[in-house]
Amino acid sequence: DTGVSQNPRHKITKRGQNVTFRCDPISEHNRLYWYRQTLGQGPEFLTYFQNEAQLEKSRLLSDRFSAERPKGSFSTLEIQRTEQGDSAMYLCASSTPPASGDNEQFFGPGTRLTVL
Amino acid sequence: AQSVTQLDSQVPVFEEAPVELRCNYSSSVSVYLFWYVQYPNQGLQLLLKYLSGSTLVESINGFEAEFNKSQTSFHLRKPSVHISDTAEYFCALIGGTSYGKLTFGQGTILTVHP
Repeated sequence: DTGVSQNPRHKITKRGQNVTFRCDPISEHNRLYWYRQTLGQGPEFLTYFQNEAQLEKSRLLSDRFSAERPKGSFSTLEIQRTEQGDSAMYLCASSTPPASGDNEQFFGPGTRLTVL
Repeated sequence: AQSVTQLDSQVPVFEEAPVELRCNYSSSVSVYLFWYVQYPNQGLQLLLKYLSGSTLVESINGFEAEFNKSQTSFHLRKPSVHISDTAEYFCALIGGTSYGKLTFGQGTILTVHP
């Protein structure tokens, strides 16, 4: 399968623990995006990378959140000292650089985080 | 700042009936507009997009959307729905300077009844 993959698909953790999610984009895509989706809402942008450079971060991304894409391939999103409000679906998407905005983003299945 | 508003959170319809899912947007710059669909237990998939040119765009499965700049709308329509169209639909935009970042609406759950 050559789509975007995310692991784990589900994560249950206790408040205060650290969690890390992984995203593997489509191999030829150099842009990678992270979004967060809470129940009843559309996805909200968190951050994005072009190759290994993190080019934009949302104000939603507090200091407890960090994302990396060390070799311009897979990416990790870490949440430190999780809070119940972090419970959400975390989505990853990838794309080629936009040409006149034509950068269809291909989404992974998401990682559902539940913080108890 | 940009925003997308989907006016209906849920739309129930009977099979073979027409449907319209409404989407309005706000942006101070030019936009590209998208509809994504999320079938139960699946990831988001692009349904159709407006980038430029003809204001009416179509998907391969019979949906269409019309970009209306004066009304800042991008409503999604289908003349005859099928049970398999049951899904959540998201309207989204990319603003001219947002480097490909998608801004989504809240989503509309379309339920098609037999």
